Amino acid sequence: DADVTQTPRNRITKTGKRIMLECSQTKGHDRMYWYRQDPGLGLRLIYYSFDVKDINKGEISDGYSVSRQAQAKFSLSLESAIPNQTALYFCATSDLQGRAETQYFGPGTRLLVL
Amino acid sequence: AQKITQTQPGMFVQEKEAVTLDCTYDTSDPSYGLFWYKQPSSGEMIFLIYQGSYDQQNATEGRYSLNFQKARKSANLVISASQLGDSAMYFCAMREGDSNYQLIWGAGTKLIIKP
Repeated sequence: DADVTQTPRNRITKTGKRIMLECSQTKGHDRMYWYRQDPGLGLRLIYYSFDVKDINKGEISDGYSVSRQAQAKFSLSLESAIPNQTALYFCATSDLQGRAETQYFGPGTRLLVL
Repeated sequence: AQKITQTQPGMFVQEKEAVTLDCTYDTSDPSYGLFWYKQPSSGEMIFLIYQGSYDQQNATEGRYSLNFQKARKSANLVISASQLGDSAMYFCAMREGDSNYQLIWGAGTKLIIKP
């Protein structure tokens, strides 16, 4: 089984709808991240969490919210989806701190907002 | 200024040949880490290799090695004996400092292996 799972893998929704993307991990890592990737671009950080009680905004948090329900679960919500939120969304985890901290990614969720 | 630059938007390479994917970086912090990730067409982001700024030797992981030239600020990924399954996007990323959580990403290089 995959160490980092994301559900759903694909989602089509309409403008204005609220949707939730879920991430679960079995790696036992404290740190979890949400990124989005737009075609032809690298990743941009939306939110990150260093533990259940520590949640922080990334560079593009507007229009998004998160919930860290447990060490293993980190959910991303789009409060009112808009078409420019169409993207590939990744959850990632890590544990080792410092410059060697390596992030391990889930399989991604492809989101299309009509 | 770009912190991570991948100058090759796309590359075609014959199967079984070695491949070098370029990555240059810009930082004034003496402590940093460099990462390479592979993204196949299925979309997942796969960690390949890590190089720390204080590491004395170039990192290697199986067929992957990192040609780390600190003075030139380059961290090129070398794939030996390329395979069709190596066709993918490849991203270079950097973390500056020992306490910084954030990765800075390059725009990626699309590698296509020809049979």
